[in-house]
Amino acid sequence: QSVLTQPPSASGTPGQRVTISCSGSSSNIGSNTVNWYQQLPGTAPKLLIYSNNQRPSGVPDRFSGSKSGTSASLAISGLQSEDEADYYCAAWDDSLNGSWVFGGGTKLTVL
Amino acid sequence: QVQLVESGGGVVQPGRSLRLSCAASGFTFSSYAMHWVRQAPGKGLEWVAVISYDGSNKYYADSVKGRFTISRDNSKNTLYLQMNSLRAEDTAVYYCAREKVGIFGVVMGNWFDPWGQGTLVTVSS
Repeated sequence: QSVLTQPPSASGTPGQRVTISCSGSSSNIGSNTVNWYQQLPGTAPKLLIYSNNQRPSGVPDRFSGSKSGTSASLAISGLQSEDEADYYCAAWDDSLNGSWVFGGGTKLTVL
Repeated sequence: QVQLVESGGGVVQPGRSLRLSCAASGFTFSSYAMHWVRQAPGKGLEWVAVISYDGSNKYYADSVKGRFTISRDNSKNTLYLQMNSLRAEDTAVYYCAREKVGIFGVVMGNWFDPWGQGTLVTVSS
């Protein structure tokens, strides 16, 4: 059971807009920034969104992130076949001695 | 270019030890905190440990505390993970990752970038 809660799956057709949610608590998302990672099949995770809504250079502006309270969202507009991947949210958790926590991951299928 | 390359994975019996390495290049290794993150087969990501830029501070996930030790050699640009008393549930791909920090307006954030390609550890008799 992951500390951050994501839907296990999401899907959309090419060109559509999809959103993936990430729910946490006051000790993680509520008090720290959220990052999103994309993991293409058989590869290592790659940074997609950092500090809630910042895009690294090279990441298309079709990807955007937002945060409100203890929840965050990743939005992908103009869905493309190459977006089919697993997506993970992550945040620092202040509880106990502190630790990084991840969502369970959302498998995005492009129909 | 910035690169992290893990090595040292393999098949090991329960209760035995293994040491992973992560060779860094393309950036000033001694200026960054470094992490280990693992992924069990078919499962999600799990943070394992972090070490500060100079090695003076180390933190671990509860699942590995007392069994795993993170360390670094800044003269060799290399990060290590010593894994003792291995269990079947430690079977996973182990990734090393650099931690970056930034301030955007009044918001300070930390994130992992880049990640290495990973090394597979299989604990089995």
